[in-house]
Amino acid sequence: RKEVEQDPGPFNVPEGATVAFNCTYSNSASQSFFWYRQDCRKEPKLLMSVYSSGNEDGRFTAQLNRASQYISLLIRDSKLSDSATYLCVVNRPGTYKYIFGTGTRLKVLA
Amino acid sequence: EPEVTQTPSHQVTQMGQEVILRCVPISNHLYFYWYRQILGQKVEFLVSFYNNEISEKSEIFDDQFSVERPDGSNFTLKIRSTKLEDSAMYFCASKGQSYEQYFGPGTRLTVT
Repeated sequence: RKEVEQDPGPFNVPEGATVAFNCTYSNSASQSFFWYRQDCRKEPKLLMSVYSSGNEDGRFTAQLNRASQYISLLIRDSKLSDSATYLCVVNRPGTYKYIFGTGTRLKVLA
Repeated sequence: EPEVTQTPSHQVTQMGQEVILRCVPISNHLYFYWYRQILGQKVEFLVSFYNNEISEKSEIFDDQFSVERPDGSNFTLKIRSTKLEDSAMYFCASKGQSYEQYFGPGTRLTVT
């Protein structure tokens, strides 16, 4: 099983739609979880950290499910500008390493 | 807002040549990282650096690679003898006391 796994997509959704991505991780001892956004040929930009209690930032909601070892990202009221690749990042416990998923590509269509 | 900077934005080099990629992390950050992303592939961890020494490195980070923090601000990645397969985007990242890493804009390395 891959350490961090994401559905590569693409997810094509109309403007205004709600879309959700999941990311599974293999190491149950992982403690730090993040969602990053990456535009084509640009650097990953931190979207949000994922906390045990779940967290929300405007139209974005992140959840952590430790029992099933996945994190999720929900985007409400999608905008054209949300089109990007969304990267799931998980720390490898006991190390300084952060492991990236392959990313999920989102296209928001007018 | 403080940010990580990297130079150059694009480097073209011939196979076998040495390259040095430069990064200026966020000023009060203590943890520094290099990542690589081959076109169309995922971001891969190369190395982490803390307290003036390598804290972790991946299997990619072989003897051809080295990192240095030559002064209080720069953090460099050197590739001694570049290969065609080293062509990629190289991202520097830094982290403070919290868990979040912040990435620089990257250097696109093209080895011909």
